[in-house]
Amino acid sequence: DAGVIQSPRHEVTEMGQEVTLRCKPISGHDYLFWYRQTMMRGLELLIYFNNNVPIDDSGMPEDRFSAKMPNASFSTLKIQPSEPRDSAVYFCASSAGYMNTEAFFGQGTRLTVV
Amino acid sequence: AQSVTQPDIHITVSEGASLELRCNYSYGATPYLFWYVQSPGQGLQLLLKYFSGDTLVQGIKGFEAEFKRSQSSFNLRKPSVHWSDAAEYFCAVADPFSGGYNKLIFGAGTRLAVHP
Repeated sequence: DAGVIQSPRHEVTEMGQEVTLRCKPISGHDYLFWYRQTMMRGLELLIYFNNNVPIDDSGMPEDRFSAKMPNASFSTLKIQPSEPRDSAVYFCASSAGYMNTEAFFGQGTRLTVV
Repeated sequence: AQSVTQPDIHITVSEGASLELRCNYSYGATPYLFWYVQSPGQGLQLLLKYFSGDTLVQGIKGFEAEFKRSQSSFNLRKPSVHWSDAAEYFCAVADPFSGGYNKLIFGAGTRLAVHP
């Protein structure tokens, strides 16, 4: 398997624009996570899904953020409208179970909002 | 709420020297504990994890970590560092009673530089 695939790797957008980040988890994994990494706040869990259903979105910072998982092989994280403080690296990860399993991370999307 | 402290932001060691990266956590009971490594421009890779049992845990790439309940610590060690170990290292905890493995709380990270 190619691992967790995120696209794009880099995104530069203007404030106020909509941004969509994409993630393809490892085939067969039933958990998918979205994390954000910033200098100020480090790595934070935003939301995670189990079998395509959002389980915990308490880490989503604002209503401007939304995440979907329409099927087992695809998830999106959308920011609308984007703001400069959303600039960060966004990671997607997937795992094969609830306990005693490893979450595999993608290479991340570096988002810059100008 | 649980938290993780990694006291050292940057550490520099010589190749071949031993390494210890510190991690302290705050939690009422024994949490799940993890160490991840992040190479530049890459995602995170799990080095090792502790759930219960033997307090000395062996991981990949020659790393080990020791859980010390009395000190609320989970320090990462390697007897001889290689230049390829230069990366950022993250300690993380999860609450076994709230979200289990899935809700990881990360420390701020320790950036390791290795001198030849």
